[in-house]
Amino acid sequence: DGGITQSPKYLFRKEGQNVTLSCEQNLNHDAMYWYRQDPGQGLRLIYYSQIVNDFQKGDIAEGYSVSREKKESFPLTVTSAQKNPTAFYLCASSPRTTSNYGYTFGSGTRLTVV
Amino acid sequence: AQSVTQPDIHITVSEGASLELRCNYSYGATPYLFWYVQSPGQGLQLLLKYFSGDTLVQGIKGFEAEFKRSQSSFNLRKPSVHWSDAAEYFCAVGNTGGFKTIFGAGTRLFVKA
Repeated sequence: DGGITQSPKYLFRKEGQNVTLSCEQNLNHDAMYWYRQDPGQGLRLIYYSQIVNDFQKGDIAEGYSVSREKKESFPLTVTSAQKNPTAFYLCASSPRTTSNYGYTFGSGTRLTVV
Repeated sequence: AQSVTQPDIHITVSEGASLELRCNYSYGATPYLFWYVQSPGQGLQLLLKYFSGDTLVQGIKGFEAEFKRSQSSFNLRKPSVHWSDAAEYFCAVGNTGGFKTIFGAGTRLFVKA
């Protein structure tokens, strides 16, 4: 079945470390997104990508970086510059970036700073 | 600018009772509107979407939503709630021709026996 796979499900980061969250899709979707979810705040867009080798900042990109070297993959790196990284991170995809398609989401990665 | 408001942080409904979750949006033109559901520790699943045409939209799991332009609302309904419907529900709005989708803060649904 087609879908989005996020790994790991749980991730622990020490202060000053960079960590990378994986997101892979086999839906042949062009567009991919990273969202951050905090309790009571809904979803906030970190980065999005419309095509391979291209990506754009979302509303809260500071302290994060991404790459899109393959259509199927859109990993997110949480850098040490992100001061409050503890959150639930969701990867999503859609056939195109135009917002009429709706998204397919992965099952998320919960990141905790220890 | 687009915005989405879900006035109810949480709602408790008895199993078998009807459900209505409220969503109000702000957008200058006819928006794209969505409802998603999220079970604890999981990603979001698309329940239904509205683009144009019939203002009553049917979705999966027995849910429906009605677009009311005059009230800037897109409320989600279900005639009879099951215990498995307990989850968090998100309303979202997308801008016509653009990429950006804005999510509401969510409404958590509790179902009591």
